[in-house]
Amino acid sequence: DTGVSQNPRHKITKRGQNVTFRCDPISEHNRLYWYRQTLGQGPEFLTYFQNEAQLEKSRLLSDRFSAERPKGSFSTLEIQRTEQGDSAMYLCASSAPGDHEQYFGPGTRLTVT
Amino acid sequence: KQEVTQIPAALSVPEGENLVLNCSFTDSAIYNLQWFRQDPGKGLTSLLLIQSSQREQTSGRLNASLDKSSGRSTLYIAASQPGDSATYLCAVRRRGSNYKLTFGKGTLLTVNP
Repeated sequence: DTGVSQNPRHKITKRGQNVTFRCDPISEHNRLYWYRQTLGQGPEFLTYFQNEAQLEKSRLLSDRFSAERPKGSFSTLEIQRTEQGDSAMYLCASSAPGDHEQYFGPGTRLTVT
Repeated sequence: KQEVTQIPAALSVPEGENLVLNCSFTDSAIYNLQWFRQDPGKGLTSLLLIQSSQREQTSGRLNASLDKSSGRSTLYIAASQPGDSATYLCAVRRRGSNYKLTFGKGTLLTVNP
């Protein structure tokens, strides 16, 4: 068990480009969460999956954002037509059935220039 | 809407001192409360999770308490060390099927040798 992993760790992109991040949860964790953290703030919830089903989406998740979790394993978060306001740390977490503790990955830092 | 506040925003102490970090939340209908540590530019490390039915949890030099009725939690760190320097975040999960965490902005702790 190597913990939650996220790739890439850093991404620099130009405004208007599309980006995709990947999260691999801890093995056998059925719930997967995405959060966004800007400088000096706590993480804010974006969305979460139970197995392959996306059960909740925050209003922060505009139409430019889409998340998937095919086959209930890894998850991807895509941002289309990036804006400078999208610059943030994107954090992924997972939790096991019956365990309410969320375990976080190292995050992907996105910089939109 | 749940709001989580952490006081102080920053704290600087000499090595060896005992200290208390505070967390307050506006909606007492919580399922659990989790304390995290975040090093600069890194992801979150879970420190302690307290279920709503519990009053406190301990791990090594850390002790977290929960007073749900007053909407408060404290994280006590005994015999602080320079390696404890980090941002400490508290997060609450609302009662019900909603699994998302609502975070405070964190307390930046510096322990001086």
